[in-house]
Amino acid sequence: GQQVMQIPQYQHVQEGEDFTTYCNSSTTLSNIQWYKQRPGGHPVFLIQLVKSGEVKKQKRLTFQFGEAKKNSSLHITATQTTDVGTYFCAGGSGGSNYKLTFGKGTLLTVNP
Amino acid sequence: GAVVSQHPSWVICKSGTSVKIECRSLDFQATTMFWYRQFPKQSLMLMATSNEGSKATYEQGVEKDKFLINHASLTLSTLTVTSAHPEDSSFYICSRTGVGGSYEQYFGPGTRLTVT
Repeated sequence: GQQVMQIPQYQHVQEGEDFTTYCNSSTTLSNIQWYKQRPGGHPVFLIQLVKSGEVKKQKRLTFQFGEAKKNSSLHITATQTTDVGTYFCAGGSGGSNYKLTFGKGTLLTVNP
Repeated sequence: GAVVSQHPSWVICKSGTSVKIECRSLDFQATTMFWYRQFPKQSLMLMATSNEGSKATYEQGVEKDKFLINHASLTLSTLTVTSAHPEDSSFYICSRTGVGGSYEQYFGPGTRLTVT
């Protein structure tokens, strides 16, 4: 079945440093989504990428979808303490199948 | 505001008893909802896809008779953990898809189940 690998598992940074998490799928994806889960909370949808090579930005967050639609990355510039949480990528097969396969997530902690 | 609610937010039950968790779509009639399970500091594991008016579709390895899913209306799906055991203790989260067939998912706040 479809597998989505995500690295690193943990990342600790000083406030102001950049952060990147990477996702790699075993199969070509129709779409990839990113979610953030704060400690004790539930996953919150951040963004969806559908096009090959797509790049989207949300303020300090930059999301990329690879040309082969098998990998993706999330980059945060100048981290803040509010960025703390676990970031999950989730791959979708598309069509009438709405199921997502989640990566294991990257836990980001930020030292003020 | 929240678009998916779950009830209860936490529950403690004794081994051998059954627990029902409700998931409601607050702003949208959802024909499809999903149930996930999350262990501490781990990823979300899809348990089943809940389909309104028909049987749920379970993922491989998930016991259908143990995790009963009912999606009787377009706004409510329920997960019943039957004959719960301590190993069933986990965080159970439901979700629904976006409006108009979009693929993003909106999650409920989750239910923390502890079986003693």
